[in-house]
Amino acid sequence: GESVGLHLPTLSVQEGDNSIINCAYSNSASDYFIWYKQESGKGPQFIIDIRSNMDKRQGQRVTVLLNKTVKHLSLQIAATQPGDSAVYFCAENTGAGNMLTFGGGTRLMVKP
Amino acid sequence: NAGVMQNPRHLVRRRGQEARLRCSPMKGHSHVYWYRQLPEEGLKFMVYLQKENIIDESGMPKERFSAEFPKEGPSILRIQQVVRGDSAAYFCASSPPNGRGYTFGSGTRLTVV
Repeated sequence: GESVGLHLPTLSVQEGDNSIINCAYSNSASDYFIWYKQESGKGPQFIIDIRSNMDKRQGQRVTVLLNKTVKHLSLQIAATQPGDSAVYFCAENTGAGNMLTFGGGTRLMVKP
Repeated sequence: NAGVMQNPRHLVRRRGQEARLRCSPMKGHSHVYWYRQLPEEGLKFMVYLQKENIIDESGMPKERFSAEFPKEGPSILRIQQVVRGDSAAYFCASSPPNGRGYTFGSGTRLTVV
């Protein structure tokens, strides 16, 4: 079936560097995408979202890019900090209901 | 403004017992969703509810699992006759009707021994 997937299970970066976390989706009907951050023992925390009529959206230190041609989503974190260490999930919504389909997650490790 | 409240945070049950997980949505949110997460995996959708109404339960196992969201009180996810494979983190989320502004609770970690 169609699903959301991620390229890299673990990403290790130096503090202060930029991080890029990637996500591939296969459901062309998806019209809404969200990135979540999940720290150990906690629930997913909303980071940023983007609708399919956009290709880029920026927040504070984070940018989400959407490439509908290749069905690719990425999260860029500028000046990565130790507090950014967590597992990051992308999720998609097809618009047929409010349910989200999650990817498998990427663990971001920030080295001081 | 309190977020999504789940309780208990941790729940231990012996095989064959019942587990009841509670979720109170954010103020102003009328829709509740339950997801299950196994270690090192993403969240998997289980069920989507409005007050007194199940909208979509396509992710719920056919047996032993049920969910409700009564007119008064929290949403309840009920697992009867638990087995070790039910051990997981169960997350509740809530949203307004348009599904935007999804907010998750801190989860209930169920351990079946």
